[in-house]
Amino acid sequence: EIVMTQSPVTLSVSPGERATLSCRASQSVSSDLAWYQQKPGQAPRLLFYDASTRATGIPARFSGSGSETEFTLTISSLQSADFAVYYCQQYNQWPGAFGQGTKVEIK
Amino acid sequence: QQQLRESGPGLVKPSETLSLTCTVSGDSISSTSYYWGWIRQPPGKGLEWLGSIYSSGSTYYSPSLRSRLTISVDSSKNQFSLNLNSVTAADTAVFYCARQSRLLGYMDVWGNGTTVTVSS
Repeated sequence: EIVMTQSPVTLSVSPGERATLSCRASQSVSSDLAWYQQKPGQAPRLLFYDASTRATGIPARFSGSGSETEFTLTISSLQSADFAVYYCQQYNQWPGAFGQGTKVEIK
Repeated sequence: QQQLRESGPGLVKPSETLSLTCTVSGDSISSTSYYWGWIRQPPGKGLEWLGSIYSSGSTYYSPSLRSRLTISVDSSKNQFSLNLNSVTAADTAVFYCARQSRLLGYMDVWGNGTTVTVSS
């Protein structure tokens, strides 16, 4: 069973700054990785699939990269709407494990 | 526009069975392109994938819940359901249903979620 580990647990960033979130898989998942954004009281929203393919309507300030076991979600210039919790999920093998999440908070 | 909506009791007693239904609109649950999945989120914690089902009835379950979990599909009603038996307080969570790409596996459409509390 593949385990997904995200870091850091919490990231404090000022508006306009860059945020870099990491996700590591316990074994290779190729590029079979998705990123989701979740705001308080809301369902998760798909940001990326296939590690770097932006989902419909996702702004260009978001970018995804990586393959095999190391993945990165970058937000180039944080806006107020971006403060949320971000989860990665692998879908290379069942079960499709989620990471524990990274909370991006206002510094 | 595709929408998913969870429904079911908000309170379940310990040792009983938790039953939820997800109603799909704007899409056919018989589509060959998708699985249909359940995910939960305990209070203040992260997301946990529970299981997924294809319209044929093929299922995939989380190993940790396999012995207690059943997911089924009713194509005539465009719904799929979750039954989790022998619940404890640890099963208290927000439960989400989601559409899952059959080819790739990501979840692109989510329901709003429903809160289920296990308490006597």
